[in-house]
Amino acid sequence: NAGVTQTPKFQVLKTGQSMTLQCAQDMNHNSMYWYRQDPGMGLRLIYYSASEGTTDKGEVPNGYNVSRLNKREFSLRLESAAPSQTSVYFCASSEQLHTQYFGPGTRLTVL
Amino acid sequence: EDKVVQSPLSLVVHEGDTVTLNCSYEVTNFRSLLWYKQEKKAPTFLFMLTSSGIEKKSGRLSSILDKKELFSILNITATQTGDSAVYLCAVGNAGTSYGKLTFGQGTILTVHP
Repeated sequence: NAGVTQTPKFQVLKTGQSMTLQCAQDMNHNSMYWYRQDPGMGLRLIYYSASEGTTDKGEVPNGYNVSRLNKREFSLRLESAAPSQTSVYFCASSEQLHTQYFGPGTRLTVL
Repeated sequence: EDKVVQSPLSLVVHEGDTVTLNCSYEVTNFRSLLWYKQEKKAPTFLFMLTSSGIEKKSGRLSSILDKKELFSILNITATQTGDSAVYLCAVGNAGTSYGKLTFGQGTILTVHP
């Protein structure tokens, strides 16, 4: 099993460009999450999907959109990237007992 | 608003030392407390604690939860350079329809040979 996979691993964007971060899990989990991690800030929840067909905002949703494509896949889109979105992005998945399993992360730089 | 505070923020030790990492929390409806280890990439799961006073142990790592005083500790004995990582504490909130976790800032542990 691959667990949680994310693409791309690294990305550099110019301000105003758009991109989509992809995430897939093969653990048959119902819930999926997108976090960003910045120095000294821990992991902050951007959006989550409690189950297939539902998505909701987390702590820091502004500037992002998500799509739960099916049970396996949950994508994060930046419509117009800003330097403040420079961060490391992690996708995670879980069943209902809160043990979340994380993907390897995407390091995004916005110039 | 749920809150998790970890201390110390960073720690430097030598191989063989024992370390204790602290995590205190405030949560509206406690479900669980989790510890993760993060090296270069993804956080990897270490422990989940739900009951006070019951120690969870895995090799040289152990953790215990005190739900009355709202804290947990993670102990690492006989540290090795491979223990160098960021250790993250998170609390789960039972009052949500999904697995909401609130993370602390992390403790950066550096183990020198």
